[in-house]
Amino acid sequence: DTEVTQTPKHLVMGMTNKKSLKCEQHMGHRAMYWYKQKAKKPPELMFVYSYEKLSINESVPSRFSPECPNSSLLNLHLHALQPEDSALYLCASTQTQDSNQPQHFGDGTRLSIL
Amino acid sequence: GENVEQHPSTLSVQEGDSAVIKCTYSDSASNYFPWYKQELGKGPQLIIDIRSNVGEKKDQRIAVTLNKTAKHFSLHITETQPEDSAVYFCAANFDSWGKLQFGAGTQVVVTP
Repeated sequence: DTEVTQTPKHLVMGMTNKKSLKCEQHMGHRAMYWYKQKAKKPPELMFVYSYEKLSINESVPSRFSPECPNSSLLNLHLHALQPEDSALYLCASTQTQDSNQPQHFGDGTRLSIL
Repeated sequence: GENVEQHPSTLSVQEGDSAVIKCTYSDSASNYFPWYKQELGKGPQLIIDIRSNVGEKKDQRIAVTLNKTAKHFSLHITETQPEDSAVYFCAANFDSWGKLQFGAGTQVVVTP
């Protein structure tokens, strides 16, 4: 079982809907990451939070809005998504934002945009 | 920017045989190289990692070797089992801000 929990596991939404993805970890990690993964491709970094502050935004469209309410929780708010946004969204965490540390991934939310 | 090439893209092995996946990286400053296994419907799971001050690391049936001069690193799986079937990703860090560059992935199929 993964130590990073993501909910929901599956999400189907229309292009005008607003929904949120949730990620939770209780390992005491202070850096959390959002990735997007298309079928048969590696994960692509979207956002990094360090000590609850946004540290990296990889030029992600504003229809994706991250939020880190506390050190254990990471949300990704979705609004007016496009069909090409259908993908597996992965959350990961590390002890601190240091590229020398192993990233622990959740099992992802599979998102389908109708 | 940083580039990681991974070969082969698919690998079929007979149960009990060995599997080897190779990656090369471009940034000589990279010093951390994790390997992830991703099963269908799951997230990537870290299976082994190596840092630049070490040439080889082993964990039971899995080993990773690193050649910093040639800028390549490899994953070795011995005595393969059907449960080793998955997509394997190599990765390398390329800055100090938690960013990893992933290889394109290798689909490993172990046939009984």
